[in-house]
Amino acid sequence: GENVEQHPSTLSVQEGDSAVIKCTYSDSASNYFPWYKQELGKRPQLIIDIRSNVGEKKDQRIAVTLNKTAKHFSLHITETQPEDSAVYFCAASKPGGSYIPTFGRGTSLIVHP
Amino acid sequence: DAGVIQSPRHEVTEMGQEVTLRCKPISGHDYLFWYRQTMMRGLELLIYFNNNVPIDDSGMPEDRFSAKMPNASFSTLKIQPSEPRDSAVYFCASSRLPRGGGNQPQHFGDGTRLSIL
Repeated sequence: GENVEQHPSTLSVQEGDSAVIKCTYSDSASNYFPWYKQELGKRPQLIIDIRSNVGEKKDQRIAVTLNKTAKHFSLHITETQPEDSAVYFCAASKPGGSYIPTFGRGTSLIVHP
Repeated sequence: DAGVIQSPRHEVTEMGQEVTLRCKPISGHDYLFWYRQTMMRGLELLIYFNNNVPIDDSGMPEDRFSAKMPNASFSTLKIQPSEPRDSAVYFCASSRLPRGGGNQPQHFGDGTRLSIL
């Protein structure tokens, strides 16, 4: 089955700095890669996703890149703010009947004011 | 869109008692998932349904756990008897069928924080 590795497990940055979280996946058939943000005590919420037919997607301060050859994808947050502090999860899923996403273990991002 | 609705939000009960968690998925969504989240194990998929039919329950930890989806708008996760190690946050999520070959994101409920004493 699919295996998703996520690094780092914790990331501490100063407000205004950039943050990068990386994930690798094992199954080359995976073609959908969502990222979720989970604030303390809250539910995971989708913040951005990317499909295998594109290499990069951006939404304001958040961007995701995908390298299908190397089987890794990354979340980039620029100009970090204290409200970006949360746990971020990556996931990978395959098309069709094997739809179910496999989640990474999560990265705890702390943005210091 | 009311989102995925879970109840109760918090449950505290004594070991040995039966616990029932409830979930109402987003209307029109075809998949429903039950997850358990702990610090040690992260986010674990317990079971998922497609059009009310259980597809994969290999993540259900023991026979003490059971899940049902009697109709498209309601699902339950039951633990009987409960044990302290079942303490966790349980999330329900739903999603649409893949569209045009593209998978769809999951929408999570607010979770049930379960404490077994």
